Amino acid sequence: GAGVSQSPRYKVAKRGQDVALRCDPISGHVSLFWYQQALGQGPEFLTYFQNEAQLDKSGLPSDRFFAERPEGSVSTLKIQRTQQEDSAVYLCASGRTGAGNTIYFGEGSWLTVV
Amino acid sequence: QKEVEQNSGPLSVPEGAIASLNCTYSDRGSQSFFWYRQYSGKSPELIMFIYSNGDKEDGRFTAQLNKASQYVSLLIRDSQPSDSATYLCAGTILTGNQFYFGTGTSLTVIP
Repeated sequence: GAGVSQSPRYKVAKRGQDVALRCDPISGHVSLFWYQQALGQGPEFLTYFQNEAQLDKSGLPSDRFFAERPEGSVSTLKIQRTQQEDSAVYLCASGRTGAGNTIYFGEGSWLTVV
Repeated sequence: QKEVEQNSGPLSVPEGAIASLNCTYSDRGSQSFFWYRQYSGKSPELIMFIYSNGDKEDGRFTAQLNKASQYVSLLIRDSQPSDSATYLCAGTILTGNQFYFGTGTSLTVIP
């Protein structure tokens, strides 16, 4: 596609509910990042994929967070048993080659846990 | 300590003035640095990147990198009200695969 596409754009979840956020990167982009951005803060790194390999997941805040990119293109970020502190914008970004090169962001998925 | 630090501002400049945004980083292994602009409620969009010491100019924007001082800056000449946004500095670190972002500097250009 022309840009990074994320869905859903907005999600309201009840506390304890599981959610899945989808990212469709720019076609052919090797690297894919997930970030969490709270209001008034910069994006916080969650995890990084190079093709289908998850090379770094050090930013995932707890074992309730899980990400996958099984075929090296579309990625899903899953949050189990959502908590109020999970409320944030979840940004996906992709890049043409490995880390160190420019990355381009999707519009984000706005998650509100009530 | 965060890998990339920015003054959160807010920074206000009059229309037509030069806006100066600053960023420091802690890892001397950092390779490349990026400036993103983020309008309220929108995702970050790339303005420019720099990886060599010195200045890099693109239109009204100039990025400056000083690796000895571990300092990156963005100058916006002839500031316009449409430049009002949060500016995010990001660096890529040799030791990892992450793009590290600062917390952003809020800029307001006053007409």
